[in-house]
Amino acid sequence: AQTVTQSQPEMSVQEAETVTLSCTYDTSESDYYLFWYKQPPSRQMILVIRQEAYKQQNATENRFSVNFQKAAKSFSLKISDSQLGDAAMYFCAYRGYGGSQGNLIFGKGTKLSVKP
Amino acid sequence: DVKVTQSSRYLVKRTGEKVFLECVQDMDHENMFWYRQDPGLGLRLIYFSYDVKMKEKGDIPEGYSVSREKKERFSLILESASTNQTSMYLCASSLHLGGNGYTFGSGTRLTVV
Repeated sequence: AQTVTQSQPEMSVQEAETVTLSCTYDTSESDYYLFWYKQPPSRQMILVIRQEAYKQQNATENRFSVNFQKAAKSFSLKISDSQLGDAAMYFCAYRGYGGSQGNLIFGKGTKLSVKP
Repeated sequence: DVKVTQSSRYLVKRTGEKVFLECVQDMDHENMFWYRQDPGLGLRLIYFSYDVKMKEKGDIPEGYSVSREKKERFSLILESASTNQTSMYLCASSLHLGGNGYTFGSGTRLTVV
C-alpha cells in the first residue's frame, strides 16, 4: 500500500525568507500524481501545487515550487518570500490511477509558522 | 464561489444521538469522500463513493455509515454518537480520473458530550 510521510511536524520561517517542507512517499506504481495542500486556520483545504509523475520538470506556482525526485520518492515544497498568510498546515498527498488506487493518500501534515 | 458545502461549521451532540453531516457539491463530480481530521493523525478516510447509491469503506468506517441518493449530496451518519467521534470532519469531491485532486468543504467540527 502507498504511504506518505512528512517528517517535520512543525516548521518556522522568517517573513520574506525561504522554507522547504519535506515529503517522501512509497509506491510501486510508475504513474501517479502528487499534491501539496494548504489548510489555514479557516480550515478550508486549498490545493497549492500538483505534479504529474511522468513529468520531469518541477511544478511551479508563483512563490511555490516543488523538488520532485522520482527515484528517491521525494516531493518537497519550497515557499519563497514567505508571507504571514502562508502560516498554515501543509499536507502532502499522493494519488494513483483509477478505482480506489485513485484515492488521495495524505501525510500527517507540517504546521508552518511565519514570524514577522 | 463555494463549490463543496458542508451544512454545519460547528455541531454539539449528546452521546447516543444519531447525527447527520451533510455535504453538497455543485461541480458534477463523480467521487465524494468523508474524512476525519485529528491532531497528529492527519486525515483519515471514513467512506467514499464513486457514484450515486454506491459506497465503499475507507480506513476507519466503524461507527459510521453514509448515504448518496443524489450525485451532488453525500451524507455521513453517526448512528449512535460517542465521545471518541469528537473530531473535525471534512467532505471532498473529485472527478473520477485525472490529476485534479480534491475540492474540500470548510469542515464540520463535531463535539460529542
